[in-house]
Amino acid sequence: RKEVEQDPGPFNVPEGATVAFNCTYSNSASQSFFWYRQDCRKEPKLLMSVYSSGNEDGRFTAQLNRASQYISLLIRDSKLSDSATYLCVLSPSGGYNKLIFGAGTRLAVHP
Amino acid sequence: NAGVTQTPKFRVLKTGQSMTLLCAQDMNHEYMYWYRQDPGMGLRLIHYSVGEGTTAKGEVPDGYNVSRLKKQNFLLGLESAAPSQTSVYFCASSAKGQDFYEQYFGPGTRLTVT
Repeated sequence: RKEVEQDPGPFNVPEGATVAFNCTYSNSASQSFFWYRQDCRKEPKLLMSVYSSGNEDGRFTAQLNRASQYISLLIRDSKLSDSATYLCVLSPSGGYNKLIFGAGTRLAVHP
Repeated sequence: NAGVTQTPKFRVLKTGQSMTLLCAQDMNHEYMYWYRQDPGMGLRLIHYSVGEGTTAKGEVPDGYNVSRLKKQNFLLGLESAAPSQTSVYFCASSAKGQDFYEQYFGPGTRLTVT
């Protein structure tokens, strides 16, 4: 079983839509969680961290549910520029030096 | 401030050939990483380094070697390329400690082994 599982998509949504991605992880000892964004044929970039209490950054809201071992990302009022692949990422237990990346969920926002 | 740069951007190798990928960062980061990205697999860690002169194996180290002789550079070597090593290779760097999770990636190297 993969350590991080994501629905590959694609999610095709119109501009202005609200879209949610989920991600599940298998190791309950995982420490920290993040969402990265990767544009087509580009490098990944950190989008936001994910906390149990939930955190919001503009139109983006991330949530962590440790009991069910899943992370979510909600995008409100989708823009064309949100089209990208969203990578669910976690740091395993045992220190601050490694990240484990999910395969990503592709989002396509159309006019 | 160039961030993380990778050389070369593209390369085609024949099976059995060798090559070295160069990664350089100008952010004075302690940690550096090499990943490969394949369709449907996500980024997988090949090797990483937590400081000059130190390296460690990641998830998929077989067939690769690395060196970090200078803090700003991290080299990835393929001694005898195989078609299974066809992939996009990303280098990344990060600060040490609790801020390590914000990794800064280079633009990638697209390698094809025929």
